[in-house]
Formats: sequence, C-alpha cells, structure tokens
Amino acid sequence: NAGVMQNPRHLVRRRGQEARLRCSPMKGHSHVYWYRQLPEEGLKFMVYLQKENIIDESGMPKERFSAEFPKEGPSILRIQQVVRGDSAAYFCASSPWTSYEQYFGPGTRLTVT
Amino acid sequence: DQQVKQNSPSLSVQEGRISILNCDYTNSMFDYFLWYKKYPAEGPTFLISISSIKDKNEDGRFTVFLNKSAKHLSLHIVPSQPGDSAVYFCAARGGSEKLVFGKGTKLTVNP
Repeated sequence: NAGVMQNPRHLVRRRGQEARLRCSPMKGHSHVYWYRQLPEEGLKFMVYLQKENIIDESGMPKERFSAEFPKEGPSILRIQQVVRGDSAAYFCASSPWTSYEQYFGPGTRLTVT
Repeated sequence: DQQVKQNSPSLSVQEGRISILNCDYTNSMFDYFLWYKKYPAEGPTFLISISSIKDKNEDGRFTVFLNKSAKHLSLHIVPSQPGDSAVYFCAARGGSEKLVFGKGTKLTVNP
C-alpha cells in the first residue's frame, strides 16, 4: 500500500515563474491537506480539500496561491509569480475521513532563485 | 502567536535511557494531540496520539501523557534507541481538521 506521494521532490524556480506541486493521497483517502515548513519552523497549515471541494483555506496566502483536488488525478498546489519568500518545504498529508490521523508525504522542496 | 510550544529545541540522551519530550499549548479548544517524528529530507511520520478525554496513551516504547489543567503533554520513549534520533513535532487539533504544530525538538540518542 503506497504512502502519500509528492512530486517533484525538489523544484527550482526563478522569481516570477509558476510552481506546481502535486500530491497523490494514500489509496482510499479522500481528504488532503497542504502544509508549509519554513527553515527552523514547524509545519503551518495551508489548505484542506476533499474531492472537488476546498473545505478550509484559512492558511493560504490571499494572492498567488491556489489549490485543487479534482475528481480524477492528484491534488495540485499552485504558486504563481514565485518570490524568494516562497522557498520552503511543502508537505501534503491525507486521511481516510475527518478526525483521523493525517499521513504525510515526503515533501517538495521549493527553491526560488 | 504560537499556540503549540516546544520549548526545548534539542535533547540528548544515552541509549537505553528514557527520553522525555515536552509540549505546551494555549488553546483550550484543542481536543486531540499527536506526535510526529521527522527525519531530514522526509515527511513527518505519525507516532502516537491522545484524545483530550484521556490522560495517557501507550504504544510499545512510546507513551504520551496529557495534563489538561496545565495544558501540557509529554512523549516518553523508553528505552531510547539510536534510531529514535530525529526531530519530534507535537501537533494539536480542535474545532477544525487543521493541525497546529510546534517548532519541534531534535532528539539525539547516543550509543
């Protein structure tokens, strides 16, 4: 049973470019969460999605960031016009239902040059 | 404002001894607490959790204690093994599905 998969594992973008981060949840999991970790910090919640629905996006920056979890395919976290401050590790987690443990993927390390 | 605090950035213990990692929280709405372990360049791995209706939960070498009145929880690892060396994150949830994480404690278990 494969775990949560994220790709790419490392992503380098120049300022102003777009970054697309993908997350495939564990089999049977329909709840996806995105977190961001800055250096020397804990993980910070960004967004919670179920299939085709954004449930909670209270942690998402108001501009440039968006997320989706389509009926088919992986969840996508999209960052437009990246800036140096977007450099971080982005983790995706999934769970089979609410109020359950969240299982994390290996993360995507985004570097903005 | 930090709702979940891990005040010790690092902890070093000898193999075979007990490791105690501490976590404090400020939000009374939190009703579920989790510990995650993280190796460099990997995602956090779920270790153990506890509901606010309990004060202790045990799983093998790992035990989590919750003191609601003090808003404090701790993770005990006994006996500690070198493979336990990692960063440990305390996380809390309440009123929504999002987890609120502490900054982590780096545990080093010396052989």
